Amino acid sequence: DGGITQSPKYLFRKEGQNVTLSCEQNLNHDAMYWYRQDPGQGLRLIYYSQIVNDFQKGDIAEGYSVSREKKESFPLTVTSAQKNPTAFYLCASSTRQTNYEQYFGPGTRLTVT
Amino acid sequence: GNSVTQMEGPVTLSEEAFLTINCTYTATGYPSLFWYVQYPGEGLQLLLKATKADDKGSNKGFEATYRKETTSFHLEKGSVQVSDSAVYFCALSDGGSNYKLTFGKGTLLTVNP
Repeated sequence: DGGITQSPKYLFRKEGQNVTLSCEQNLNHDAMYWYRQDPGQGLRLIYYSQIVNDFQKGDIAEGYSVSREKKESFPLTVTSAQKNPTAFYLCASSTRQTNYEQYFGPGTRLTVT
Repeated sequence: GNSVTQMEGPVTLSEEAFLTINCTYTATGYPSLFWYVQYPGEGLQLLLKATKADDKGSNKGFEATYRKETTSFHLEKGSVQVSDSAVYFCALSDGGSNYKLTFGKGTLLTVNP
């Protein structure tokens, strides 16, 4: 089955530590995205990537970093510079062939204490 | 720039009631329009889509018609079930080179038995 996987489902870290969230897709999509969702809120775009080895900042990139070394993978690092890292993180991918309809992973809930 | 405005929630209905969630948009060109659904603790799933004016998207009893003259894409269902309780997001893609979707803020629907 094609899809997007995110791991782990739940992640706990101490304040001051960097943490990397995994996102893998086997849909052969060119574009990938990271969103942040806070309780009762909509989605906010962190970073997106249209092709391998290229990515752009979204609306709330400060305190986050990404890499896109492979088409299938788009890991997100939440750095210690991110002031409020506790949130639900969603990864998505899309392709021009389906009008940029985005396919989402199941999400990772990060808790930093 | 592009924007999506959807009715504020929460919306609370009894089982078998009629549902309408309003969505209007502002966009250049001819966007594609989407409704996504998010169940508690999960990622977003595409519910339905429409890619040109007067198209009707439908899935699982939900429908939405792309109305260019009123720049709207309202979600409707004739008879809701408890299992429809979720957050619903309206979104658009303008087909531009940046591959991004513009999302509404989401509407929480609760259906009581």
